[in-house]
Amino acid sequence: NAGVTQTPKFQVLKTGQSMTLQCAQDMNHNSMYWYRQDPGMGLRLIYYSASEGTTDKGEVPNGYNVSRLNKREFSLRLESAAPSQTSVYFCASSERGYGYTFGSGTRLTVV
Amino acid sequence: DQQVKQNSPSLSVQEGRISILNCDYTNSMFDYFLWYKKYPAEGPTFLISISSIKDKNEDGRFTVFLNKSAKHLSLHIVPSQPGDSAVYFCAAAGGTSYGKLTFGQGTILTVHP
Repeated sequence: NAGVTQTPKFQVLKTGQSMTLQCAQDMNHNSMYWYRQDPGMGLRLIYYSASEGTTDKGEVPNGYNVSRLNKREFSLRLESAAPSQTSVYFCASSERGYGYTFGSGTRLTVV
Repeated sequence: DQQVKQNSPSLSVQEGRISILNCDYTNSMFDYFLWYKKYPAEGPTFLISISSIKDKNEDGRFTVFLNKSAKHLSLHIVPSQPGDSAVYFCAAAGGTSYGKLTFGQGTILTVHP
């Protein structure tokens, strides 16, 4: 009963470094999402995948890329990290409607 | 342009009393609204939702009210318990954002014993 699993839980990057945040769900959900949470800003959608093979930009996609590797996995890549990307990142999945299941988050610091 | 706003960053309530969390939205195409609850170091979890065809939805101690003309919704928790202390996010969906949720900034609720 893992639900949505995110790795890593914590990461510190230097400006300009790259990294990939991993997300996997075991609920056979079609849709997956990446959000970032910043103080005073709530949760903002970075990218989403309505179904396997499709990805679309959300509200704040600049500086990020995504890959829907298969139905289970949806990764978020930072090609050249910037301090403005310091945030907590949440992956979520849903089957129908808006009953999202969220992972526990990845806390990323870019120095 | 924040389409969903929670104007109170924090709320402090005594155990047993009512907690009222408020949320305003600007997009008239939104037709489905949800509340999520988040504990530290965990992801948000779904709490309660309401469709725009209703003006009230109850689930145990939690009730969500929707005022479409004012573009306002509220979450009432009665009675409040210390375990309710968390960050509460309202979220909205509909129109061109179908399938995607737009979240408010969150309100930190603290329930004192």
